[in-house]
Amino acid sequence: TQLLEQSPQFLSIQEGENLTVYCNSSSVFSSLQWYRQEPGEGPVLLVTVVTGGEVKKLKRLTFQFGDARKDSSLHITAAQPGDTGLYLCAGVQYGGSQGNLIFGKGTKLSVKP
Amino acid sequence: DTGVSQNPRHKITKRGQNVTFRCDPISEHNRLYWYRQTLGQGPEFLTYFQNEAQLEKSRLLSDRFSAERPKGSFSTLEIQRTEQGDSAMYLCASSLGGSGWSGANVLTFGAGSRLTVL
Repeated sequence: TQLLEQSPQFLSIQEGENLTVYCNSSSVFSSLQWYRQEPGEGPVLLVTVVTGGEVKKLKRLTFQFGDARKDSSLHITAAQPGDTGLYLCAGVQYGGSQGNLIFGKGTKLSVKP
Repeated sequence: DTGVSQNPRHKITKRGQNVTFRCDPISEHNRLYWYRQTLGQGPEFLTYFQNEAQLEKSRLLSDRFSAERPKGSFSTLEIQRTEQGDSAMYLCASSLGGSGWSGANVLTFGAGSRLTVL
């Protein structure tokens, strides 16, 4: 059983469309992070959210941490081909080891021009 | 600082051979992590070090795997008697952390070492 479930697993859209990807768990997390990974490279951190209900914006990307700190979403407005990649959520379980960052399986996004 | 560096980037080996990967973290980072990522999956935690101490190991890290960070700087991950199931991308990451650190646990990843076991 995956501790962090990401959906959808795959998403293919046209340039200019909006999209939302989700990261859900039955467990509480003390913090959640979103990473983007391109083929053959390591994940690159986009954002960290630590407070329940927190919303952070990074240009066209909006990240939200659920009130109960069990889920998170990433919304992209007016997607561009450069947004293509694997989006991973990762978190530190509440009361868990700070060193053990747990990852979801990711959402593979393809934005067609 | 050029970030987290991993070598080699690619390794092809025959089943039963031993392989070793090296990771050079960001110099001021005291924590170093190893993850494994297979196709279609997110990274899976293997182990992490704070300075030279190995603080946690995953059940995924069988006795054929050993990781070291002898001087609290670079780290090596050795896989003995490789099996085809070991084929994966091995990712290293580093961060600041531990007592006295109140910031979030922000990991910087290297580009990974891809292992193919024939």
